[in-house]
Amino acid sequence: EKVMTQSPATLSVSPGERATLSCRASQGVSSNLAWYQQKPGQAPRLLIYDASARATGIPARFSGSGSGTEFTLTISSLQSEDFAVYYCQQYNNWPRTFGQGTRVEIK
Amino acid sequence: QVQLVESGGGVVQPGGSLRLSCAASGFSFSNYGMHWVRQAPGKGLEWVAFIRYDESDEYYAESVKGRFTISRDNSKNTLYIQMNSLRAEDTAVYYCAKDRGQWLDYNMDVWGKGTTVTVSS
Repeated sequence: EKVMTQSPATLSVSPGERATLSCRASQGVSSNLAWYQQKPGQAPRLLIYDASARATGIPARFSGSGSGTEFTLTISSLQSEDFAVYYCQQYNNWPRTFGQGTRVEIK
Repeated sequence: QVQLVESGGGVVQPGGSLRLSCAASGFSFSNYGMHWVRQAPGKGLEWVAFIRYDESDEYYAESVKGRFTISRDNSKNTLYIQMNSLRAEDTAVYYCAKDRGQWLDYNMDVWGKGTTVTVSS
């Protein structure tokens, strides 16, 4: 099983600032990596797939990069609606595995 | 638009059984693999199970293997998961999710709102 490790656990950012979230895989997953956003009481929403492709309707301030074992989600200028928990997930192998999440909170 | 609606959650005693359903609409259900993902209270996401579009393959998390069975009825556009020998640690919100790939296996792209399962005596 591929273990996904996200850092930091919590990120405190001021609105308008840049946020950089990291995700590391215990073994290579090629570019088969997705990012999801989850707000309290809501289902997760797909942001990024194939490590860097934005899902339909996702604003351009969200970008993903990386391949192999190291991945990054960048939010270029945080808006109020972006404060949430973010999860990475690999789909290179079964079982599918998620990181433990990074909470982005208002500084 | 694509919609997934879960049902069947509730309170069940340890050792009991429950079957969850997920009604799909707005896409060609029979062309896509489907997942179940759960989230324990205050915890992160845990992938549970997957079934291919044509039922040719199923995959399970180790934590539920042998106890849970995923299935689908393409004539009814409905996904199911039968959960037996339930444990307290199975308490969670259960989400069904559509796979992004048509006839292929990728990540989840559309999620339902979830149904809550509580295992307690």
